[in-house]
Amino acid sequence: GAVVSQHPSWVICKSGTSVKIECRSLDFQATTMFWYRQFPKQSLMLMATSNEGSKATYEQGVEKDKFLINHASLTLSTLTVTSAHPEDSSFYICSARMGPYNSPLHFGNGTRLTVT
Amino acid sequence: GENVEQHPSTLSVQEGDSAVIKCTYSDSASNYFPWYKQELGKRPQLIIDIRSNVGEKKDQRIAVTLNKTAKHFSLHITETQPEDSAVYFCAASMGGIQFYFGTGTSLTVIP
Repeated sequence: GAVVSQHPSWVICKSGTSVKIECRSLDFQATTMFWYRQFPKQSLMLMATSNEGSKATYEQGVEKDKFLINHASLTLSTLTVTSAHPEDSSFYICSARMGPYNSPLHFGNGTRLTVT
Repeated sequence: GENVEQHPSTLSVQEGDSAVIKCTYSDSASNYFPWYKQELGKRPQLIIDIRSNVGEKKDQRIAVTLNKTAKHFSLHITETQPEDSAVYFCAASMGGIQFYFGTGTSLTVIP
């Protein structure tokens, strides 16, 4: 089955530093990947849609200069949290759609970010 | 954008009983509705999905129904087992362009 790999699974960083999270589709090409943020015991909040070879589409309220998304290839999208603050601490999870239109999402394992 | 509401937020059932989770959506253009199960600390896993040209779909103990007119869809789990305990999320999508998730239902199956 389709596998989405996300790395790292957890990271602790200091305020003011930047953190990069990688999302890879291991056995399929993903022209579109999605980045979600999940707070404890809450739902998945769509942050942005990552499109291969073009700019990401951000949801309202998500700072694009804060959360940099790069989708340089059909199998890799990265999310960089810049100048991280404690309020950025959260569970970030990526997903990819294996096929065209109305295909299910496959999720990475998520990254637990803690900013101290 | 799309707004997906999910009820109940928590649900406890006795082992062997049925569980029903309901979702409503706002955008009539949404045409794909997956359901995900997320166990603690793990990734969401697709358990069943339904497309707008279908009213009902069943896979063993799990079934999903869709009412396009009323813009709601439901997940039905029969003969529940302790391993069904998890958080369940519904989602709505239009053509797979974006997926919007419900707020989640924490299901507890009591042995």
